[in-house]
Amino acid sequence: DQQVKQNSPSLSVQEGRISILNCDYTNSMFDYFLWYKKYPAEGPTFLISISSIKDKNEDGRFTVFLNKSAKHLSLHIVPSQPGDSAVYFCAASARGRDDKIIFGKGTRLHILP
Amino acid sequence: DSGVTQTPKHLITATGQRVTLRCSPRSGDLSVYWYQQSLDQGLQFLIQYYNGEERAKGNILERFSAQQFPDLHSELNLSSLELGDSALYFCASSVDRAPGELFFGEGSRLTVL
Repeated sequence: DQQVKQNSPSLSVQEGRISILNCDYTNSMFDYFLWYKKYPAEGPTFLISISSIKDKNEDGRFTVFLNKSAKHLSLHIVPSQPGDSAVYFCAASARGRDDKIIFGKGTRLHILP
Repeated sequence: DSGVTQTPKHLITATGQRVTLRCSPRSGDLSVYWYQQSLDQGLQFLIQYYNGEERAKGNILERFSAQQFPDLHSELNLSSLELGDSALYFCASSVDRAPGELFFGEGSRLTVL
């Protein structure tokens, strides 16, 4: 039962354009969402998070949007840079319920020159 | 460098054997999480400890066990190994009990032959 779904295994975007990575979740108890970035041979690193009381959180080139009614979140990267080429994981937790953080399968982002 | 140390980085063993993976969390972090990343399976949550106590359990097999010691380091024990246990095992730590930003180690790659 995949509670956090990233339906696009990979995405290619031209350098300088906007990258949009999508994530859907099924558990309505999730109230905290995170995005992680992973380079080969390294562990995932935290990128940005959002609480369910917000619908947008911005940090530099990265913005996460949350649509609770659709159980959907997206990560926008603008402008995309070569160093953004990595695997991006969406994660979710139900902070008021348990301590699990559930990850999606990831989306591999390729930034094209 | 996330501050989370995992050993060994690579391990090759045979089916039926038992291995122990070790994790030292960041200084001051009380929570330790274990995740398994198999091919195309994303990061599967296994188990979480907070200050020595088990807090949350995911899809962890009965052949697997873990513990967190008084000095807060953690060990994941995998026994009666099968070919399908070959994967990258990540440890992550965080300050609080409540799910939030996790700091990941570089992972331990287990190959079962």
